[in-house]
Amino acid sequence: QSALTQPPSASGSPGQSVTISCTGTSSDVGSYKYVSWYQQHRGKAPKLLIYEGNKRFSGVPDRFSASKSGNTASLTVSGLQAEDEADYYCSSYTGSKYDIVFGGGTKLTVL
Amino acid sequence: QVQLVQSGAEVKQPGASVKVSCKASGYIFSSIGVSWVRQAPGQGLEWVGWVSPSGESTNYAQKVQDRVVMTTDTSTTTIYMELRSLRSDDTAVYYCVRDNWNSFEHWGQGTLVTVS
Repeated sequence: QSALTQPPSASGSPGQSVTISCTGTSSDVGSYKYVSWYQQHRGKAPKLLIYEGNKRFSGVPDRFSASKSGNTASLTVSGLQAEDEADYYCSSYTGSKYDIVFGGGTKLTVL
Repeated sequence: QVQLVQSGAEVKQPGASVKVSCKASGYIFSSIGVSWVRQAPGQGLEWVGWVSPSGESTNYAQKVQDRVVMTTDTSTTTIYMELRSLRSDDTAVYYCVRDNWNSFEHWGQGTLVTVS
C-alpha cells in the first residue's frame, strides 16, 4: 500500500480536462511544499512535470497545472491530447529524515 | 544536457549483492545529490535513498536501510548503489535520478535487477 493515495485510473476525451488527486496526511502533503508530479509512458523512465506543488518543470506545456488544498494535491491536464495517455505519480517530502513517498499511480486514458 | 547513464541489467540469486552504477554528465556534479528510485514489474515507484555529491551524506528508506549502500566517485562523476542480501521482492528497475530539493528532475534509463 502506497503512502499517498491516487485513483487507479482516470479518463477523458481529447480536448477535455481531467484532474488527478493525491491524498496524503498532515505529515507529508499537508505540511510541505515539496509535492511533485511525474508522467511515465509505458516502458519509459518517468519525467518530472511539476515540482514544489505548482511549478512546471522546464519544457512542460502549460496544459499541465497543479495545486494543493490541505492534505490533497491535484494535477489537472487541460486540452487532453493522445500523447497524454500515461501513468501519473505524485510524490511528497515527509520531513522524516529526508524520506520521499510516492502515490500508487494513476493510469490516464484518452478516449 | 544533463545525462545519467546506468549500467546494464543484472540477474542475481537470492542472498547475493548487486552494484549498479550511474554516470552523470552535463551539470556541476558537486552541486546536486542523487536519489535512487525503483519500480517493481507492473508496480509503482518507490524511493530507495539519497546520496550527496561527495558521498559523505546518505539517507536510506527504512525498508532497505540495513542492506543498501550508496557511494560516489567524484573523479568520474559516477554514483553507485549496492544492495545486499537480495530477495525476490528486490526485483525491479532501478533508476538514478538527479534530486533537486526533493524533485527528481532527470532520470537515468533504468537498470533491471532480477533476483531469481
